[in-house]
Formats: sequence, C-alpha cells, structure tokens
Amino acid sequence: LAKTTQPISMDSYEGQEVNITCSHNNIATNDYITWYQQFPSQGPRFIIQGYKTKVTNEVASLFIPADRKSSTLSLPRVSLSDTAVYYCLVGLYNFNKFYFGSGTKLNVKP
Amino acid sequence: EAGVAQSPRYKIIEKRQSVAFWCNPISGHATLYWYQQILGQGPKLLIQFQNNGVVDDSQLPKDRFSAERLKGVDSTLKIQPAKLEDSAVYLCASSSLDQGYGYTFGSGTRLTVV
Repeated sequence: LAKTTQPISMDSYEGQEVNITCSHNNIATNDYITWYQQFPSQGPRFIIQGYKTKVTNEVASLFIPADRKSSTLSLPRVSLSDTAVYYCLVGLYNFNKFYFGSGTKLNVKP
Repeated sequence: EAGVAQSPRYKIIEKRQSVAFWCNPISGHATLYWYQQILGQGPKLLIQFQNNGVVDDSQLPKDRFSAERLKGVDSTLKIQPAKLEDSAVYLCASSSLDQGYGYTFGSGTRLTVV
C-alpha cells in the first residue's frame, strides 16, 4: 500500500487559495488519489478523486503531475468553514480499501 | 438518500467492561467498514465486510474486539473487556462496488474508557 506524507498543519486567511500537497512516492499503476475532509465530531467526507492531470468539482481542484508521485489539493477562496483536517489517500479504485494518514489540519483565520 | 447511522453517539464505561456499537449502512451498500480514530490521528481500519463476509480484519485486536454483519446489512462492533487505550471514536462507513470514489462515513461513536 502506498504511504502518503502531508504537512501536519497549515494556516490561511479567508478568501485566499489554499494548496495542500501530498507525497506518495510508491504509488502503484492502478492506484487512485482521493482526498477527504473531516470536521470535529464528524466522520470524514469525500472531496475529490483523480488518477492523473487535473480534476475539478464544485468544491476543489486536484492536480496530479505526470509521475503521480505527488498531488495537490487546491481550495479556492477558503472561508472559516473550511477549517478542518484534510486527508490524502491512495488506493485501488474498485477495491475500495483506503488507509488514512494523519492528515493536514487547515486553520482558516478571519 | 439516508446516511450511515451509528449509535450510541457517546459511551462512557469503566475498564474491563464490555461495550457494543451499532451501524446501519446506506441501503444497498455491500461493503461496510469499521474504523478506530484516536484523538489527533487519522482513522485506522479495523475490519472490512463484503455483504456478510469478512474481507479484511488484519488490524482488529481479536483478543478483545469482535464484529459481525448478520444478513449483510447492519453491523455491530464489540469490545470485551475494554482497556483505557480503547478510548477513541469508532467510525462506520459503507460503499457500493461501483462507488469507486470511496466511502460514506457515519458520525461515529465516541468511547471513553475510565
């Protein structure tokens, strides 16, 4: 299973764009990259998933370089409500087994 | 679509007592997971069910933890006897085979062992 490395914490201000990078040097050919968001006292919530290049949805963008050894979650114009822990996971698409690291705690300030 | 339901929401027990958690997954989701999340850490997979069969329980402390998923729907996770280090949030998640982008989690049960 590919291990992921993320910054422990990040600070930002409202209205800024936030980029959280995840390293996954031993990602396998069939692995997908998935990001989850977790608020206190709640279970993690799916944000976005991708395999290569760029994926965008209404919440975030995911950038994956050609070698796929890292990925960057981009949150446009964050608000206080985006304060949460963000997890990067790598795993097989259909096997549905993902292992969580410690995540990145994002603190958005007014 | 109703979410993943878990109960109780909170539980406080003394060490060496037993406790059980209940999970009702999203209707039609064949795969069910139990995770343990200790404060400040990411969720740790304890057990994965596919319908009513166990797919992976390699990280389940089988001397004290047990889980079952009768009829392939609801699931219960039991701890007997509990230790102080079992204090954590126990999360249940479910997914369908074609839901490649992962799981839907419940809100969890916060267990405090004193």
